[in-house]
Amino acid sequence: GNSVTQMEGPVTLSEEAFLTINCTYTATGYPSLFWYVQYPGEGLQLLLKATKADDKGSNKGFEATYRKETTSFHLEKGSVQVSDSAVYFCALSLDRTNDMRFGAGTRLTVKP
Amino acid sequence: DSGVTQTPKHLITATGQRVTLRCSPRSGDLSVYWYQQSLDQGLQFLIQYYNGEERAKGNILERFSAQQFPDLHSELNLSSLELGDSALYFCASSGKGSLPETQYFGPGTRLLVL
Repeated sequence: GNSVTQMEGPVTLSEEAFLTINCTYTATGYPSLFWYVQYPGEGLQLLLKATKADDKGSNKGFEATYRKETTSFHLEKGSVQVSDSAVYFCALSLDRTNDMRFGAGTRLTVKP
Repeated sequence: DSGVTQTPKHLITATGQRVTLRCSPRSGDLSVYWYQQSLDQGLQFLIQYYNGEERAKGNILERFSAQQFPDLHSELNLSSLELGDSALYFCASSGKGSLPETQYFGPGTRLLVL
């Protein structure tokens, strides 16, 4: 089946540290890949996306590259801030129905 | 603000009862999706509607049903509620452009079954 596996949390970092959250996927066909972020008490917001192999999505200093050969879409940020504390979800979407499958989420806490 | 609205924000009810959650999609969006977020199951896709018709079904229980009305708002009906149905229920919407499309999420309805 189609699914996403992301690294288990929680992840705790100090401000200005480098962030990597791993995400790998299993899919039939060629999915689009997404990272969503959920701040406390809020719904999910799109952070970035990539629709084909080797595409790089980027937003607010976050980046992720669609790697077909390793079926991965790891999220990175060079220098995290306290305001980045949230839960991050990796997801895939299949073109036919736009039905989205989410990973389990990774809680990030950034300490000053 | 995503433009997707959900009501109510919070709902407290008892086991065996029935509730209705409401979602208004972003203006112009034809697709509505429902998700359940719980601590043990994570974020689970329940069902998708496109322009009033059911398009895709996920892990939706038979006790749950949904519909999308001509004005494109959607309702999720949960019946014979159990303690385990306590969760956050999110609605998302997307437009009518070419797939894949970004889904925009509402703030959620928090359901507590006592």
